[in-house]
Amino acid sequence: AQSVTQLDSHVSVSEGTPVLLRCNYSSSYSPSLFWYVQHPNKGLQLLLKYTSAATLVKGINGFEAEFKKSETSFHLTKPSAHMSDAAEYFCVVSSWGGGKLIFGQGTELSVKP
Amino acid sequence: GAVVSQHPSRVICKSGTSVKIECRSLDFQATTMFWYRQFPKQSLMLMATSNEGSKATYEQGVEKDKFLINHASLTLSTLTVTSAHPEDSSFYICSASRDRGQETQYFGPGTRLLVL
Repeated sequence: AQSVTQLDSHVSVSEGTPVLLRCNYSSSYSPSLFWYVQHPNKGLQLLLKYTSAATLVKGINGFEAEFKKSETSFHLTKPSAHMSDAAEYFCVVSSWGGGKLIFGQGTELSVKP
Repeated sequence: GAVVSQHPSRVICKSGTSVKIECRSLDFQATTMFWYRQFPKQSLMLMATSNEGSKATYEQGVEKDKFLINHASLTLSTLTVTSAHPEDSSFYICSASRDRGQETQYFGPGTRLLVL
């Protein structure tokens, strides 16, 4: 079975400093992995997607994530945080055969001025 | 492209009444739509998967008679919460994908349901 674990429930950074949101996955096959962002009382927006092409995936708003098979990790990073980045972030893995998405528990990112 | 809308965005109803939530793909045809439920400060839990023209597939523990799903066209799916109770209060989010088994899902903005 596939699963994802987001290692931090809450991360707080200062504006202009780097962001690191950690995610580990478990899968018996080569998975597709996603990061989604959710602003308060809003739906989810796709930040980026990994599908066994390049291991370093660039997404929107300056975010990127690196797929590391040896570490079963898919951490999300951004060089410089902006106030508008404050939101809930979900690491997601697709089920075998695609279609169903399995969500991590979420990481709340706070950005201090 | 790939915009999904939900209506209403917020609804308050009395216990025992039924509430219908619509999910529409505005600029693409959605072969498959998904319904999720999200409690405060928690992750999304998949409730059911619906394919156009066929019956929805419900996840374990989700009452199909309580949460009626109709995917009547390639751009519209509806979720009806029947005989709603306060414990049904939640944030309901739909998503849509272009093809069966297609991994990328496009999410709607969600519907906040409050049952009094």
